[in-house]
Amino acid sequence: QVQLQESGPGLVKPSETLSLTCAVSNYSISSGYYWGWIRQPPGKGLEWIGSMYHSGISYYNPSLKSRVTISVDTSKNQFSLKLRSVTATDTAVYYCARHDYSRHRKFDSWGQGTLVTVSS
Amino acid sequence: DIQLTQSPSFLSASVGDRVTITCRASQGISSYLAWYQQKPGKAPKLLIYAASTLQSGVPSRFSGSGSGTEFTLTISSLQPEDFATYYCQQLNFGPGTTVDIK
Repeated sequence: QVQLQESGPGLVKPSETLSLTCAVSNYSISSGYYWGWIRQPPGKGLEWIGSMYHSGISYYNPSLKSRVTISVDTSKNQFSLKLRSVTATDTAVYYCARHDYSRHRKFDSWGQGTLVTVSS
Repeated sequence: DIQLTQSPSFLSASVGDRVTITCRASQGISSYLAWYQQKPGKAPKLLIYAASTLQSGVPSRFSGSGSGTEFTLTISSLQPEDFATYYCQQLNFGPGTTVDIK
């Protein structure tokens, strides 16, 4: 079955850019799903960040849209998240997931998550 | 921007109980509603999509219903492994309902 694995720095300084990558295995990223990012601050709920199709069509949470870029690299079968100008409130576990946006809006496969702490 | 609310936020229940969680959308979302279960330190797990379709491998004691603005997740007979936090989701997620042991 499809597997997803997040990677990237666990510590980011305030005002800098958070960058994460999600490697996808056992499924071609070009095969028809969107690919998304979700985050969860410690002890809090889930927040959808955004999702992208391999063609470049993307949807972002309006609350984060001005700071977020998601990109897809079909040659490496991975996708990435950049979140600019981070503050302590961006400290969270970040999950990548396969997003069935077109039909049911569901996230049906998830990575294990990676904790990113924003601190100087 | 569609907002989701869940009730209750927290509930205590016993093994064998029937449990119902409600999710309300700020505007109609047809049947574009999914439910997830999350245990501490783990990624969420998809239980239900399209409001009432059981994800493959999910026990049949879980069921979903509703359309438009009001949806429910029902666990027909709570099992020890079901104590967790449950989220509804359209694009964004509801605030969650924690099911704890009475």
